[in-house]
Amino acid sequence: ETGVTQSPTHLIKTRGQQVTLRCSSQSGHNTVSWYQQALGQGPQFIFQYYREEENGRGNFPPRFSGLQFPNYSSELNVNALELDDSALYLCASSFGDPDHEQFFGPGTRLTVL
Amino acid sequence: KQEVTQIPAALSVPEGENLVLNCSFTDSAIYNLQWFRQDPGKGLTSLLLIQSSQREQTSGRLNASLDKSSGRSTLYIAASQPGDSATYLCAVTHFGNEKLTFGTGTRLTIIP
Repeated sequence: ETGVTQSPTHLIKTRGQQVTLRCSSQSGHNTVSWYQQALGQGPQFIFQYYREEENGRGNFPPRFSGLQFPNYSSELNVNALELDDSALYLCASSFGDPDHEQFFGPGTRLTVL
Repeated sequence: KQEVTQIPAALSVPEGENLVLNCSFTDSAIYNLQWFRQDPGKGLTSLLLIQSSQREQTSGRLNASLDKSSGRSTLYIAASQPGDSATYLCAVTHFGNEKLTFGTGTRLTIIP
């Protein structure tokens, strides 16, 4: 069974640029959630995708957008990067049932200069 | 709005001791609570999931309890080892919403 994978591992961008982060969900999982974790803080919910549809969104501006593909992998896109977007971005996958655990990937460390 | 608090923010304990980490939440209408471990700069590893109808879950040296009515959970670690050093996070979900609301974590250091 393959776990949750994310790419790239690290990324450095400058203010105003755009970035795409990728996540492959664990085999059999149909739900992907994205979280932003600033240094020293707990992860904050960005949004969730269930069977290719957005299924809930946290308090993040529209420049944070996403996609889920038929194979349930997902992308997080961030436009017009700001310094405060520097964080660890975590992806989690699950069966789409609150009874089940969410499994996290290793994260992508984004640094905005 | 659900708020999750973990106190203390940091804890140092000699190897071999038993310890308890605390988690409290303001809205008791949770669906489940999950404990995670996070090593520096890494992703989250799920440790235990407790459904709202359950009182506790055990895995090896770990035992998590849940008191939904008082809005509290504890993670008990028995016979601590240096490899247990990490940040421990608790998170809750609500019915119909798989969004996890996290605490800020407790950074645990086990002193050899």
